[in-house]
Order: sequence, then C-alpha cells, then structure tokens
Amino acid sequence: DAGVTQSPTHLIKTRGQHVTLRCSPISGHKSVSWYQQVLGQGPQFIFQYYEKEERGRGNFPDRFSARQFPNYSSELNVNALLLGDSALYLCASSFALAGEFGYEQYFGPGTRLTVT
Amino acid sequence: QKEVEQNSGPLSVPEGAIASLNCTYSDRGSQSFFWYRQYSGKSPELIMFIYSNGDKEDGRFTAQLNKASQYVSLLIRDSQPSDSATYLCAVGDSSYKLIFGSGTRLLVRP
Repeated sequence: DAGVTQSPTHLIKTRGQHVTLRCSPISGHKSVSWYQQVLGQGPQFIFQYYEKEERGRGNFPDRFSARQFPNYSSELNVNALLLGDSALYLCASSFALAGEFGYEQYFGPGTRLTVT
Repeated sequence: QKEVEQNSGPLSVPEGAIASLNCTYSDRGSQSFFWYRQYSGKSPELIMFIYSNGDKEDGRFTAQLNKASQYVSLLIRDSQPSDSATYLCAVGDSSYKLIFGSGTRLLVRP
C-alpha cells in the first residue's frame, strides 16, 4: 500500500507570496494533520482534520489555513509568506483522530519550503 | 504550555550496545506516547507507541512508560550504525494533537 504522499517536494517562494501544499493520506485513513518542522526542532502542530472538519489548531497565525476534501486529501495554504515560514512541512495521516487515545500518525516525506 | 523534554545529545554508543533514550512530559493527563526516528533530511518514521504503564517490546526496541513520573523511554538493544538518527518523543493530548520534543541525536560507533 502507498504511504502518505505530499507535493511538491521542494518549493521556493518570495516573501509576501502565497503557497499551497498538498497531501494524500494512506488509503482508509480519515484524519490528516499538518506540522511545521524547523531545523533542530521537533515538528510543531498546525492543524488536524477529520471527516473534513477541523478538529485541532496549533498556535499559528491566521495566514495559515487548511481544508480536507471528500476523498480525505488535504491542502495547507499559507498567505503573505515571511522568511520565518521557511521549514519542512509535514503531513501525517491516521485512521481516526490522533492524539488523546492513540490512532498513531504516519508521516509523508514532507515539502521543503524556502522563502527568500 | 504543555511540554515534552528530551536531551538533545548526541548520545554516542558502540555498536552492539544498548542505547537508552529518555523523555519527560508536563501534561499529567496525557494518554498516548510515541517514538519516531528521523534520519537527516527525511521525515519522521513511527517506530513505537505505548498507552499503558510498563514495557512494550518490538524486536530490538522496548518502550517504557511511567505515568506517575511522567517519563517515557526507548531502549534499543544491539545498536547498529544504521540506528544513528534523531529520535523524537511525541505525546498525545486531549486536543487531538501530538506534542513533540526536540529530539535526541543517537550516534552508534562501528
């Protein structure tokens, strides 16, 4: 079975631009989470979606938004890019809601975003 | 602010030795605990999860959980150079998200 897929692999954007990152979960998984990882740190939670509804939001500004589609794939949008948004953006899928009582998450390969 | 703390390392062990990686967490209500391995330039890979106090073994890996002490550990037996990576501890909270530590870098010397 295919794992979590993400596109694009790498992206270079200019400050102030907008970016859309895409994720397809493992077949049968209904929950998708997004994380930001900067060098030397662990992933930081951005959003979790389950059955197309937002079920969790991390401490990120409103410039970050996401959505989940009927086929459970997801998009992460970031507006008005800042230099500090340069990071590895990770998508993780789980069978159901992750976090409190299990349903372990599996990560995709990530999208490396560079903002210049 | 819920926190997960890990020693950044590097933890250096000889090939064949036992590597012991430790993690503490601040939220006493946490119920689920995960260990991920991350090679340089790659994404995290789930290697162990544990929900109950005690030990859980899977091959060369053993996860240990002590909720009273808010402590979770990962033991890697017969360490191999291919185990050299950063190990991330993650804790699930009641808001349906994982909180990650900054990771411990493990170096296994041939």
